[in-house]
Amino acid sequence: DVKVTQSSRYLVKRTGEKVFLECVQDMDHENMFWYRQDPGLGLRLIYFSYDVKMKEKGDIPEGYSVSREKKERFSLILESASTNQTSMYLCASSLSGTGLNTGELFFGEGSRLTVL
Amino acid sequence: AQSVTQLGSHVSVSEGALVLLRCNYSSSVPPYLFWYVQYPNQGLQLLLKYTTGATLVKGINGFEAEFKKSETSFHLTKPSAHMSDAAEYFCAVSGLSRDDKIIFGKGTRLHILP
Repeated sequence: DVKVTQSSRYLVKRTGEKVFLECVQDMDHENMFWYRQDPGLGLRLIYFSYDVKMKEKGDIPEGYSVSREKKERFSLILESASTNQTSMYLCASSLSGTGLNTGELFFGEGSRLTVL
Repeated sequence: AQSVTQLGSHVSVSEGALVLLRCNYSSSVPPYLFWYVQYPNQGLQLLLKYTTGATLVKGINGFEAEFKKSETSFHLTKPSAHMSDAAEYFCAVSGLSRDDKIIFGKGTRLHILP
């Protein structure tokens, strides 16, 4: 069964702390994505990657960075967490051969981050 | 640029009744269209998608959607609601270029009344 695993389901951090959110997929997918989900706003794309060591900004990259050192792993980093980054973070992956636009996205279960 | 609008952030239907969740898109050319579902405390999973071909698309769990170019719509329906259908549903759109990303609507939470 295909799987996208996010390392932490729930995190509580303090303002100014550095936060790492880890995502691992076992489907050999080239494309990986980080989304942020907030009530009434739907899903907003933070960053995506279509290959190892490659990254592209999404719609709301400010305050975030990413790392993709291995094909199966895509990390989201909050260098200095702020209260407005309290949210649900969703990782997803898809096959490269289908393009970014037509392929099915496979999602992890999400990481709910609270910044105090 | 593509965009998608879901009408109604909350929809309530009785068990056994028709489910209709509305989605309209904005695009200069027919795009690719998707419906995803998110059950409580889970990530999203694909219900169905339209890329080319038949405009009536069947998905999992008895859901289907019809692409209507003239109305720029891609509404999701199910003839008879089950309690297990209670979830949040997201319509999504993308363009025809391989580099176009999938854009999600704001979601509609479906409540099933006993």
